[in-house]
Amino acid sequence: DIQMTQSPSSLSASVGDRVTITCRASQDIRNDLGWYQQKPGKAPQRLIYAASSLQSGVPSRFSGSGSGTEFTLTISSLQPDDFATYYCLQHYGSALSFGGGTRVEIK
Amino acid sequence: QLQLQEVGPGLVKPSETLSLTCTVSGDSLTTIHYYWGWIRQPPGRGLEWIGDVFYSGSTYQNPSLKGRVTLSVDTSKNQFSLKLNSVTATDTAIYYCARRSFSGSYYFWGQGTLVTVSS
Repeated sequence: DIQMTQSPSSLSASVGDRVTITCRASQDIRNDLGWYQQKPGKAPQRLIYAASSLQSGVPSRFSGSGSGTEFTLTISSLQPDDFATYYCLQHYGSALSFGGGTRVEIK
Repeated sequence: QLQLQEVGPGLVKPSETLSLTCTVSGDSLTTIHYYWGWIRQPPGRGLEWIGDVFYSGSTYQNPSLKGRVTLSVDTSKNQFSLKLNSVTATDTAIYYCARRSFSGSYYFWGQGTLVTVSS
């Protein structure tokens, strides 16, 4: 099974800050990775697919990078609507797995 | 626009079987190139992948659930289903159904339904 290690598990940041979240895969997953934002009481929403492609309708301050085993989600300038929990999901092969999540809180 | 809706009992007794159905509207379950999946989230915790089913009935499942999962489709009703047997309190979670393309991650999600395992 592929394990996804996401870090940090939580962070505090201010509006306007640049935020970086990392997911590391236990083996090469090419670019078979998506990033999600989840707000309380809601289903996750996809922000990034194929590791670096921005989902239609998602603000351009969100970006994804990486391939192989290390991946990054970056929010270039944190906005009030961005305070939420973020997850990565790898879909390489037949067994999928999520990262543990990163809770982004207001500083 | 595709819509997914989870339906099932909100309370299940320990050792019994949890059964949920996801009703698909706005597209056919038999559209090729898509997997139909289940994901769960215990209260206050992270997301866990349960498994995917293809319209033909072929499935992929999370090995950690140790064979307790049955995934199926009913193309006549445009629904797919999850059964999880021998449930315990640790199976208490919000259960989501979702769709992804063959080579992609989930894009469309249901709103989720809370299932509590308790006597």
